[in-house]
Amino acid sequence: AQTVTQSQPEMSVQEAETVTLSCTYDTSENNYYLFWYKQPPSRQMILVIRQEAYKQQNATENRFSVNFQKAAKSFSLKISDSQLGDTAMYFCAFMKTGANNLFFGTGTRLTVIP
Amino acid sequence: DAGITQSPRHKVTETGTPVTLRCHQTENHRYMYWYRQDPGHGLRLIHYSYGVKDTDKGEVSDGYSVSRSKTEDFLLTLESATSSQTSVYFCATLLAGVNEQFFGPGTRLTVL
Repeated sequence: AQTVTQSQPEMSVQEAETVTLSCTYDTSENNYYLFWYKQPPSRQMILVIRQEAYKQQNATENRFSVNFQKAAKSFSLKISDSQLGDTAMYFCAFMKTGANNLFFGTGTRLTVIP
Repeated sequence: DAGITQSPRHKVTETGTPVTLRCHQTENHRYMYWYRQDPGHGLRLIHYSYGVKDTDKGEVSDGYSVSRSKTEDFLLTLESATSSQTSVYFCATLLAGVNEQFFGPGTRLTVL
């Protein structure tokens, strides 16, 4: 089974500042996908950003970007210009190509402080 | 939200009773999934389906069964609920081609 590790159970950041959430994973696969999901207090799981392992370029979605280091099996999420609405649990997830099911980390609870 | 609804949204039941959770989707997605979310564990896969009447086990399938008699509905059944099955249950579907999963709103189940 694949394992996904998020070593920061909780983090906080001042509004408008930048924060980075860490994620590492363990796999013997060469082709796979990585995701960051956001879960606000409403409990809805929302896809934030995705990365294909074969792409060297780091994915970016507006204020959200990733630092994908394939050799190190690291996939961190950077949130720029943090907003109060970014307060949520953030989950890193792994999907093996052709398998379709997701393996999740245990999550990082992010609080944005006004 | 990929047109996914779950029912019920909340349920309280007693140990030993059968429970069925329903997931309904409107996007005609082939793949559907059931996950459970517990503190300290993130989300873990219970069962998934890759077509009508085609299902397979996930990481934590013991004590659960599923059925999919039509594309839009995926049922999760706890034959005899136990307190360890108190959790939040999420249904998801897969947008094929981009390999992205979209989640329903979740069902909070409490087994007393």
